[in-house]
Amino acid sequence: GNSVTQMEGPVTLSEEAFLTINCTYTATGYPSLFWYVQYPGEGLQLLLKATKADDKGSNKGFEATYRKETTSFHLEKGSVQVSDSAVYFCALTSGGSNYKLTFGKGTLLTVNP
Amino acid sequence: GAVVSQHPSRVICKSGTSVKIECRSLDFQATTMFWYRQFPKKSLMLMATSNEGSKATYEQGVEKDKFLINHASLTLSTLTVTSAHPEDSSFYICSARTSDNSPLHFGNGTRLTVT
Repeated sequence: GNSVTQMEGPVTLSEEAFLTINCTYTATGYPSLFWYVQYPGEGLQLLLKATKADDKGSNKGFEATYRKETTSFHLEKGSVQVSDSAVYFCALTSGGSNYKLTFGKGTLLTVNP
Repeated sequence: GAVVSQHPSRVICKSGTSVKIECRSLDFQATTMFWYRQFPKKSLMLMATSNEGSKATYEQGVEKDKFLINHASLTLSTLTVTSAHPEDSSFYICSARTSDNSPLHFGNGTRLTVT
């Protein structure tokens, strides 16, 4: 079956630090990969996605590259801000079910000024 | 942008009672809504898929008689936890989309505590 493993948090960084949140997956077929973000008190929002190998998703300074050879989709940002503090979820869909998301456990990021 | 409203955000109920959670799409028509459950330090798990005007499709291991889902209109789906027990305490999240290939929009979630 499908599964997503992402690094356990919490992650605490100072403003302007470099961020990496690791995500690896197992899936049948050719999955689409996603990062969702949940800001305090809000619902999940799609942050970025990639639908095929070597695609790079990017949004709000965040990037993730779909690496089929390492089955990874690590999230990176070069310089985090306090406003980036949130829970980040890596997720995938596969097998033609574009709604049946399989989520990782989430990683809490706290950015201090 | 598309907004999904979930209500209530928090509910505490006694064991044996039933609790209803609402999920509304405020500015779009949702042909399909999804219900997820999240245990502490665990992934979000899809519970069921709710299609307007038809019976919900439940994931394996989810009791359909325990978690009643109704999608009576294109803007409202409800999840009723019947005869709640403490082990039903969890964070429940709904999401909605307008069509098969459209993005999912998530509600803010409902924290259910059963005492």
